[in-house]
Amino acid sequence: GNSVTQMEGPVTLSEEAFLTINCTYTATGYPSLFWYVQYPGEGLQLLLKATKADDKGSNKGFEATYRKETTSFHLEKGSVQVSDSAVYFCALTTNNNDMRFGAGTRLTVKP
Amino acid sequence: DAGITQSPRHKVTETGTPVTLRCHQTENHRYMYWYRQDPGHGLRLIHYSYGVKDTDKGEVSDGYSVSRSKTEDFLLTLESATSSQTSVYFCAISPGTEYEKLFFGSGTQLSVL
Repeated sequence: GNSVTQMEGPVTLSEEAFLTINCTYTATGYPSLFWYVQYPGEGLQLLLKATKADDKGSNKGFEATYRKETTSFHLEKGSVQVSDSAVYFCALTTNNNDMRFGAGTRLTVKP
Repeated sequence: DAGITQSPRHKVTETGTPVTLRCHQTENHRYMYWYRQDPGHGLRLIHYSYGVKDTDKGEVSDGYSVSRSKTEDFLLTLESATSSQTSVYFCAISPGTEYEKLFFGSGTQLSVL
């Protein structure tokens, strides 16, 4: 079945550090891939997406590239801010009523 | 923000009691979903609805039932709550099957003692 594996946290970085959160997937067919962010006390919000191989999703300085050959969709940001502190979820779907989420990675950015 | 309201926001109950969580939307979206969020598991789909009185099971539906008698309301019921159902429950809505338009509510923290 479809599944997502993302790096375990928590991740703690200093402001302006480089961020990578790893995500790999297993899927039948051709999945669409997503990163969601959850701020404290809130629901998930879509951060970025990619729908086919080699697509790069980007938003708010975050980027992720759909790598079919390595079945990966790693999230990166060149310079994190304190306001980026949140939980990040990688997700995929091949069937539009079956979104599968990773376990989430908590990021804390210190000033 | 998409108009999604979950109620209650927090609930503590005892094992064996029935519990109903409510999701209310003001967006007139066709699809509504219930997820549970647990440490180490991310979000898992419980049930979803694709229209009034049209529902289907998700990945972890055992012990849960749902109902949708109006477009705007989607109810999740635990007929006899168990401690394993202690979780954070999220409702989500979407107008169709485009996942970039999936919006989440703020969640309900349920504790079953």
